[in-house]
Amino acid sequence: AQKVTQAQTEISVVEKEDVTLDCVYETRDTTYYLFWYKQPPSGELVFLIRRNSFDEQNEISGRYSWNFQKSTSSFNFTITASQVVDSAVYFCALSGSFKAAGNKLTFGGGTRVLVKP
Amino acid sequence: SAVISQKPSRDICQRGTSLTIQCQVDSQVTMMFWYRQQPGQSLTLIATANQGSEATYESGFVIDKFPISRPNLTFSTLTVSNMSPEDSSIYLCSVERVAAKNIQYFGAGTRLSVL
Repeated sequence: AQKVTQAQTEISVVEKEDVTLDCVYETRDTTYYLFWYKQPPSGELVFLIRRNSFDEQNEISGRYSWNFQKSTSSFNFTITASQVVDSAVYFCALSGSFKAAGNKLTFGGGTRVLVKP
Repeated sequence: SAVISQKPSRDICQRGTSLTIQCQVDSQVTMMFWYRQQPGQSLTLIATANQGSEATYESGFVIDKFPISRPNLTFSTLTVSNMSPEDSSIYLCSVERVAAKNIQYFGAGTRLSVL
C-alpha cells in the first residue's frame, strides 16, 4: 500500500522568510512518481512538479526548490523569500508505476502555509 | 496544461436529492478521475472514469451512490445520489493528457453543501 505523510499541518511565516514543507512517502513500487500541488483559497489544485523515482536531482524553479532523497523516502519543498500569494494548502502526492498501481494519486494530508505581510 | 471546465462550481442541495457534476476538457485525454475532498481534508480518489465502459471504483465508493459516465474522450459526469449532509465536500475532476502521461491536472472543483 502507498502512503504519503505531511507531518506539518500548518506553517505560518512572515513575508520574505523561507519555508520548507516536509513529505515522507511509503511504497513498494520500484518505479513511482512524486508530485507537489498547490491549492489556493479558490480551491483549484495547481500542479507544481513531478519527479520520477530514478531522478534524484534537486530542482529549482524560481523561488521554488525540491529536495528528493530516496534514502530517506522524502521529497521536501522549499519556498524561498515567501510572498503573501504563496498562502495556500500544499499537497504532496505519490503514484505507482503505470503497470503496477495505475495512475492513482495518493495524497498526503496537506500543509497549510500562511504568509503574513 | 489542459483547460478543464467543471460545472456547477458550487451548489446547495437538499437531503435525498441528487446532483450531477460535469467535467469538460478542451482536448483529448487518456484518463479522467473523480476525487472527493471533505472539509479540511485531503483528496480521496472516488473512481477512474473509463471511456465507453463502467468506471473503476475505489474501496468505499459504489456505483449506486456515485454513478459516473464518460461518453467520449473529453467529457465525464459524476452524480452524487440520495445526498446526505455527509456528502458535503469539494468534488474534483482530474485528467491526464496524452502528451503528459502520469501528470494529473485538476478542474476548479464543485463545492457541494447538503442541508
